[in-house]
Amino acid sequence: AQSVTQLDSQVPVFEEAPVELRCNYSSSVSVYLFWYVQYPNQGLQLLLKYLSGSTLVESINGFEAEFNKSQTSFHLRKPSVHISDTAEYFCAVSATGTYKYIFGTGTRLKVLA
Amino acid sequence: EAGVAQSPRYKIIEKRQSVAFWCNPISGHATLYWYQQILGQGPKLLIQFQNNGVVDDSQLPKDRFSAERLKGVDSTLKIQPAKLEDSAVYLCASSLARAGVGGYTFGSGTRLTVV
Repeated sequence: AQSVTQLDSQVPVFEEAPVELRCNYSSSVSVYLFWYVQYPNQGLQLLLKYLSGSTLVESINGFEAEFNKSQTSFHLRKPSVHISDTAEYFCAVSATGTYKYIFGTGTRLKVLA
Repeated sequence: EAGVAQSPRYKIIEKRQSVAFWCNPISGHATLYWYQQILGQGPKLLIQFQNNGVVDDSQLPKDRFSAERLKGVDSTLKIQPAKLEDSAVYLCASSLARAGVGGYTFGSGTRLTVV
């Protein structure tokens, strides 16, 4: 079975500052890893995903995440955040070959002016 | 392409009443999921359909929850009777068959409040 841990429930950060949202997973088999973002009163949107290949993956809005197999981590980073990045971010894992996602409890990112 | 449609957006009911949610997935998406998202928690899979067949309903409380996907397109999720702890956002998602590769597309959800 897989599990996901997001240690930070809330992360406040000032606008234009860098941010890192942490995600650790556990699994006895190889996995796919995902970050989803949820804006207020909206559904979850796929932000980025790691399937295979390069361990550094990027999104179109400046976020990136790095798959670290030895540390079983998939932390999300952005070098300079905007007010519009305020949202809840969920890390998810699925065993390769399955369709079932296990989500973390989420990290609420609040960008301050 | 049109997104995943869900209705209603909000619902308030009293405990022991029944309620139903509706979901219309993206056209052509064979796989449909219902997730329950309780406040402060990540989404939890309730049931997964592949076309009109159930693939995984291991976490569906079958004594009170039921779901169907007739004709392999839209789906309904029902709760009867509702309990206070069922208060949550119910998310529907759909994907092409190989969801592990492509990721899901989620609807905006139905926020259920049981009083």
